[in-house]
Amino acid sequence: GGIITQTPKFLIGQEGQKLTLKCQQNFNHDTMYWYRQDSGKGLRLIYYSITENDLQKGDLSEGYDASREKKSSFSLTVTSAQKNEMAVFLCASSIWGSSAETLYFGSGTRLTVL
Amino acid sequence: QQQVRQSPQSLTVWEGETAILNCSYENSAFDYFPWYQQFPGEGPALLISILSVSDKKEDGRFTIFFNKREKKLSLHIADSQPGDSATYFCAASERGSALGRLHFGAGTQLIVIP
Repeated sequence: GGIITQTPKFLIGQEGQKLTLKCQQNFNHDTMYWYRQDSGKGLRLIYYSITENDLQKGDLSEGYDASREKKSSFSLTVTSAQKNEMAVFLCASSIWGSSAETLYFGSGTRLTVL
Repeated sequence: QQQVRQSPQSLTVWEGETAILNCSYENSAFDYFPWYQQFPGEGPALLISILSVSDKKEDGRFTIFFNKREKKLSLHIADSQPGDSATYFCAASERGSALGRLHFGAGTQLIVIP
C-alpha cells in the first residue's frame, strides 16, 4: 500500500498572504489532484497533473497556482488569501487519471485566513 | 451548476436500522458512480461503486440501487453501526471523458446512534 502525506495539517494565514500547501505520494501514481472542500459544497477540483511538469486547470483554479516538479509531489499555492476564508484542501492521486479510477486522498490541510 | 445532488444533507438513524442516502445527476452521459466515505479528520476513501450497465451493486452491508431512466441512485447501509457515522459523497463521471472529471455531490452526513 501507499500513503499520501499533506503538509501542513493546519495553516493559518493573513489576508493577502501567499500560502503554499504540499503533497507527497508513494503510490508511484502518475496523476495527482488538488480539491477544495467547503462545508455543504462537496469537493471541487482546483488543479490536476497527469505527469511530472504537467498542469491542468479544474473548475476552481482562479486564485491558485500549482507545481508538479517530481512524480511524487504536487504543490498548491494560494496566491492571495481571502479574509475569513476557511476550507480543507485535499490532495489525491490515481494510477493513470482516467475518470473511472479510484482516487486516494490525503487527510487534508485545513486553512484559516484571519 | 451542480452536476450531482445528494439528499438529505444530514441523516440520523438508530443502530441496526437501514440508512438510505440519495443521489441524482444531470448528465445522462455519466456511467460510473462511486461513493466515497469520509471520517472526521481524514480524506475520503472509496466505499463502493457501480457502472450504469448495472442496477444494483452489493458489498456486505452496503448496496447501491441505480435507476438510469430517472438518473437517480441510492446507497443503502443495512444494520447501521456507530462506526458508519461519516460523511458520504456520491460522485459521477463519464468513463470516456477527459482525465480528472469526477463530479462530487455535496455529501450526506450520517450519524448512527447506539
